[in-house]
Amino acid sequence: DAKTTQPPSMDCAEGRAANLPCNHSTISGNEYVYWYRQIHSQGPQYIIHGLKNNETNEMASLIITEDRKSSTLILPHATLRDTAVYYCIGTSGTASKLTFGTGTRLQVTL
Amino acid sequence: EAQVTQNPRYLITVTGKKLTVTCSQNMNHEYMSWYRQDPGLGLRQIYYSMNVEVTDKGDVPEGYKVSRKEKRNFPLILESPSPNQTSLYFCASRPRGGHQPQHFGDGTRLSIL
Repeated sequence: DAKTTQPPSMDCAEGRAANLPCNHSTISGNEYVYWYRQIHSQGPQYIIHGLKNNETNEMASLIITEDRKSSTLILPHATLRDTAVYYCIGTSGTASKLTFGTGTRLQVTL
Repeated sequence: EAQVTQNPRYLITVTGKKLTVTCSQNMNHEYMSWYRQDPGLGLRQIYYSMNVEVTDKGDVPEGYKVSRKEKRNFPLILESPSPNQTSLYFCASRPRGGHQPQHFGDGTRLSIL
């Protein structure tokens, strides 16, 4: 798995977009960027993944730079329920495990 | 509803008393895995299974056993639990095909006294 670097914490006002950055400068050509989040001590929840094109689903958007060395997860209208630790993971997808780093703790406030 | 179910959700027990944490998934996934989560250490893989009767060690397998006799179940066995196995445990599954996300259970919090 690629080594990823994320800021330890971020704040976001409710209703505003939350932009969570991730650096993965060592990512290899066949590795996808996955985002998961963990609310309190619940099981990690899958959010989105992509290879090199930008992706959007009902939860979020993923913007990957052209050189694939970094990406940004965008929660377009953050709510209090989006308060969680967000993990960015670079993996081939067929790997036997996910390597979770320390993630970004996002605090959404009123 | 597609889900990964772990039992028990919470358990307090004593050193040396064998215990089993069950994991079951209803999505017909080939791949299953166990992780433990400890403060400051993130999630670390204990064991994984690519299919029935196929299991392999993860990063921290010492003190644990697993079995995969059926596709849907992947129990984690602690033959002689010790206090350093006090942790939050997660089971996960995904289909065999590439680039599929993993689905996680809600976790089992074990306290070994």
